[in-house]
Amino acid sequence: EAQVTQNPRYLITVTGKKLTVTCSQNMNHEYMSWYRQDPGLGLRQIYYSMNVEVTDKGDVPEGYKVSRKEKRNFPLILESPSPNQTSLYFCASSRGPGRAEAFFGQGTRLTVV
Amino acid sequence: GENVEQHPSTLSVQEGDSAVIKCTYSDSASNYFPWYKQELGKRPQLIIDIRSNVGEKKDQRIAVTLNKTAKHFSLHITETQPEDSAVYFCAALSGNTPLVFGKGTRLSVIA
Repeated sequence: EAQVTQNPRYLITVTGKKLTVTCSQNMNHEYMSWYRQDPGLGLRQIYYSMNVEVTDKGDVPEGYKVSRKEKRNFPLILESPSPNQTSLYFCASSRGPGRAEAFFGQGTRLTVV
Repeated sequence: GENVEQHPSTLSVQEGDSAVIKCTYSDSASNYFPWYKQELGKRPQLIIDIRSNVGEKKDQRIAVTLNKTAKHFSLHITETQPEDSAVYFCAALSGNTPLVFGKGTRLSVIA
């Protein structure tokens, strides 16, 4: 089954404790993105990657890191989480330009206390 | 870069009535305009899309229209049903950058 898988689904952590949210897709997609969803603000892009070893900042990259060492995986890293990073996070993948339907993961609800 | 504005932010309609959600975009080079539906507690999923060489597309009770000159596109849902209640996002694609989303519209269909 074609899918985008995120883990964990829920995470409560403390300020400053490094964490990683994993994202994996099995559709051989080139594009992968991370979004955060906050009430009234919609889906805001954090980082995106157009291919292996190519990553770019989105609209709200501060406090986040990503890597794309292989095509299927695109982890989101919070080196020193803060309470303002409490949010619902979605990973998405899509094929190249012109074939742009985005497939979303299940979401990760992160709470930083 | 691209900027997408979406209105209204909330919309309530009676069951059986029509609902219209409107979006505007800033980049005239944008050529792909999808709409996503997000049910409560679930991930966004594509419901319909339109490309810049088409003015209108319909899929059963859902239709999308595009006005390239004015740089706006709209989602029309006819004969609304309670299961249409969700958050709807429009988006636009320009060049090699991933999708840029609007802020979303929360649609409530009242039975």
